[in-house]
Amino acid sequence: AQTVTQSQPEMSVQEAETVTLSCTYDTSENNYYLFWYKQPPSRQMILVIRQEAYKQQNATENRFSVNFQKAAKSFSLKISDSQLGDTAMYFCAFMNYGGSQGNLIFGKGTKLSVKP
Amino acid sequence: KAGVTQTPRYLIKTRGQQVTLSCSPISGHRSVSWYQQTPGQGLQFLFEYFSETQRNKGNFPGRFSGRQFSNSRSEMNVSTLELGDSALYLCASSPTSGGYGELFFGEGSRLTVL
Repeated sequence: AQTVTQSQPEMSVQEAETVTLSCTYDTSENNYYLFWYKQPPSRQMILVIRQEAYKQQNATENRFSVNFQKAAKSFSLKISDSQLGDTAMYFCAFMNYGGSQGNLIFGKGTKLSVKP
Repeated sequence: KAGVTQTPRYLIKTRGQQVTLSCSPISGHRSVSWYQQTPGQGLQFLFEYFSETQRNKGNFPGRFSGRQFSNSRSEMNVSTLELGDSALYLCASSPTSGGYGELFFGEGSRLTVL
């Protein structure tokens, strides 16, 4: 069974600085997707970034980028120029290629606080 | 375009009662998934419906059930509530099933069981 592990329950960063959130996963599959979702306090969860396992290039979305290490089964999220609005729970998630939406497997989350 | 709407947002029930939660997906989305979120267990998949058919089901007891209507709106029902059912129940929609993992979440229904 696939598992997703986020080893940092909580992190904090100063505004404008860079922070990296860690995620490791376990799977025997070769084709899959990885995601980072953000859940701000009392607001709905939104997709931050997605990575297809067959792509060697790391995904980037504005200030958010990932470091995808397939052999190490590692998928970290880097947030550059942190903003107060980045304060949220961040969930790493995994899905088998071709799986239904129900095959999204989430980590336990990392609570990120951005301090002014 | 309106987002995913969940009702009610908050509710309090007592053990043994049943509850029905509703989810209206984004217009045009045919897949609706339900997740249970608790501090201890995190996000756990309940089930997914696509075009009124249950496509996938998580590891939850039969007290948890759901359905989807022809307009893609979905309901989930929990019967014989237990204290451990207290959680935030999240609904998510997507245009397709078997797709690309991009789910659009609602704000959730927070259930407290006393």
